[in-house]
Amino acid sequence: NAGVTQTPKFQVLKTGQSMTLQCAQDMNHNSMYWYRQDPGMGLRLIYYSASEGTTDKGEVPNGYNVSRLNKREFSLRLESAAPSQTSVYFCASSVYGGETQYFGPGTRLLVL
Amino acid sequence: SQQGEEDPQALSIQEGENATMNCSYKTSINNLQWYRQNSGRGLVHLILIRSNEREKHSGRLRVTLDTSKKSSSLLITASRAADTASYFCATKPLRGGGSEKLVFGKGTKLTVNP
Repeated sequence: NAGVTQTPKFQVLKTGQSMTLQCAQDMNHNSMYWYRQDPGMGLRLIYYSASEGTTDKGEVPNGYNVSRLNKREFSLRLESAAPSQTSVYFCASSVYGGETQYFGPGTRLLVL
Repeated sequence: SQQGEEDPQALSIQEGENATMNCSYKTSINNLQWYRQNSGRGLVHLILIRSNEREKHSGRLRVTLDTSKKSSSLLITASRAADTASYFCATKPLRGGGSEKLVFGKGTKLTVNP
């Protein structure tokens, strides 16, 4: 099993460009999450999907949209990237909300 | 806002010594979890302790939970250079809309010197 996979691993964008970060899990988990990690800030939840067909805002949702495409896949979209969105983005999944989470390797995003 | 706060923010010890990290939180919880993050990698789950448990062991890890003080500690015994990483606590709120997600602290950066 691959666990949680994320693509791309690294991306450079110019201000105003859009992109989608992809996440997939093969553990048949119900819940999926998107976090961003910035130096000194720990992990901050952007959006989450408690189950297929539902999505909810986390702590820092502004500037992002998500799609729970099916049970396996949860994508994060930046419609108009800003330098403040330079960060490392992690996707995670769990059997149910609030239980043990399994993390992907992360996507490093640089917005110029 | 983040519920878990780890203490200390950074810890440097010699190989073979024990490392203790603490986590305090604000609201009632269903469970508390500890994760490790090696530099440049995703977080890895270490241990989960439920609100009705007081202590849990896993290999060289010992976690305690004091719900009356709203605090937890992670003890790593006989540390190794490979334990060098950041350690995060995460809490699952007991009830309400927030119970579908975890709230992470900012982490303790542990350095184990050979």
